Amino acid sequence: SYELTQPLSVSVALGQTARITCGGNNIGSKNVHWYQQKPGQAPVLVIYRDSNRPSGIPERFSGSNSGNTATLTISRAQAGDEADYYCQVWDSSIYWVFGGGTKLTVL
Amino acid sequence: EVQLVQSGAEVKKPGESLKISCKGSGYSFTSYWIGWVRQMPGKGLEWMGIIYPGDSDTRYSPSFQGQVTISADKSISTAYLQWSSLKASDTAMYYCARRFGDYDHYFDYWGQGTLVTVSS
Repeated sequence: SYELTQPLSVSVALGQTARITCGGNNIGSKNVHWYQQKPGQAPVLVIYRDSNRPSGIPERFSGSNSGNTATLTISRAQAGDEADYYCQVWDSSIYWVFGGGTKLTVL
Repeated sequence: EVQLVQSGAEVKKPGESLKISCKGSGYSFTSYWIGWVRQMPGKGLEWMGIIYPGDSDTRYSPSFQGQVTISADKSISTAYLQWSSLKASDTAMYYCARRFGDYDHYFDYWGQGTLVTVSS
């Protein structure tokens, strides 16, 4: 099976840059996608194929993926960015896999 | 506008059966896979399975194979997730989501979720 490891929580000061990591064996060879989930709401796609933003997602959200770690970067963090963030990949053996999720707190 | 609208919250007893739904609109329902994702209280997202409404081709996560059944009725643009005998551990929020394209493996649109509570 294939596992994705995320930190349980990340904190960032208002206006600063938050980085949320997603670790997996040779994850750089896979496409990584990121979802934002605010309390009581359904997940929303914020990054697809490592670094692409769907329409309507602010440029402050960016992604990268190399080696064994993919990273979601949120620049100029705002209070409205507080949410749980999940990475996701597709693996040929078990299909869709989600990371455990990271709670982002904006201080 | 693409929309996935799920059926309402359910409260059931252990051993009962249940079928929840997810109705797609604003796009060609038969051309996109629909996946189901479980979120237990306070926990993360778990992929359960996926169906292609065009021909009902279905794949399951090993963790959910045999525990649930995924189906679709393309005539009414609706996908379903069903249980034959619920357990308390099935208490969770269930989301349907559209898989983007044939060669990509991410979910671009999500339903609002259906809360299933199983309690005696």
